[in-house]
Amino acid sequence: DAKTTQPNSMESNEEEPVHLPCNHSTISGTDYIHWYRQLPSQGPEYVIHGLTSNVNNRMASLAIAEDRKSSTLILHRATLRDAAVYYCILDGGYGGSQGNLIFGKGTKLSVKP
Amino acid sequence: DAGVIQSPRHEVTEMGQEVTLRCKPISGHDYLFWYRQTMMRGLELLIYFNNNVPIDDSGMPEDRFSAKMPNASFSTLKIQPSEPRDSAVYFCASSLAGDSTDTQYFGPGTRLTVL
Repeated sequence: DAKTTQPNSMESNEEEPVHLPCNHSTISGTDYIHWYRQLPSQGPEYVIHGLTSNVNNRMASLAIAEDRKSSTLILHRATLRDAAVYYCILDGGYGGSQGNLIFGKGTKLSVKP
Repeated sequence: DAGVIQSPRHEVTEMGQEVTLRCKPISGHDYLFWYRQTMMRGLELLIYFNNNVPIDDSGMPEDRFSAKMPNASFSTLKIQPSEPRDSAVYFCASSLAGDSTDTQYFGPGTRLTVL
């Protein structure tokens, strides 16, 4: 399975943008890039996903490099509630069915008031 | 919808006892996943079901662990006998369909402590 590399931790100030990087140099052509986050004492929650084009939703934006070997999750204005561990995951599925979401260690984001 | 429901939220038991964790997926979701999270190993997939049928149980650590899904709205993860190293947070998740664009919805987890 293709792996991802993320910084262990990052810090941000409240109401400032945050750019969370992810490297996935061995990504295959069919792998989707998913981002989940896990707030303290909660289960992971979906943030965003994409394949080749940049994506936006109400939570965040996902910028995908042209060669797809890296991507960046962008939180436009960090709030205290965004403090969480952010996971970048590749999902190619297999056999036409959903495959294994392999969670790495993720990036622990701290937000300072 | 109430989301994925797990019970109990906390379980404390003694080594050797049987433990049963329960999960109710989101109605209409065809896929159900069981994960385990520890500080050492992070979040690991144990097993997943499609339409109540186990598809991949390669993550189940050993024979002491078993999972069932008797119907579309209920699944159990059983540990018998339990050991202290089984202490972890166990998450259940469900998803609507089986492709790479789909989203998994996680429950709040069951924190298991085996003394």
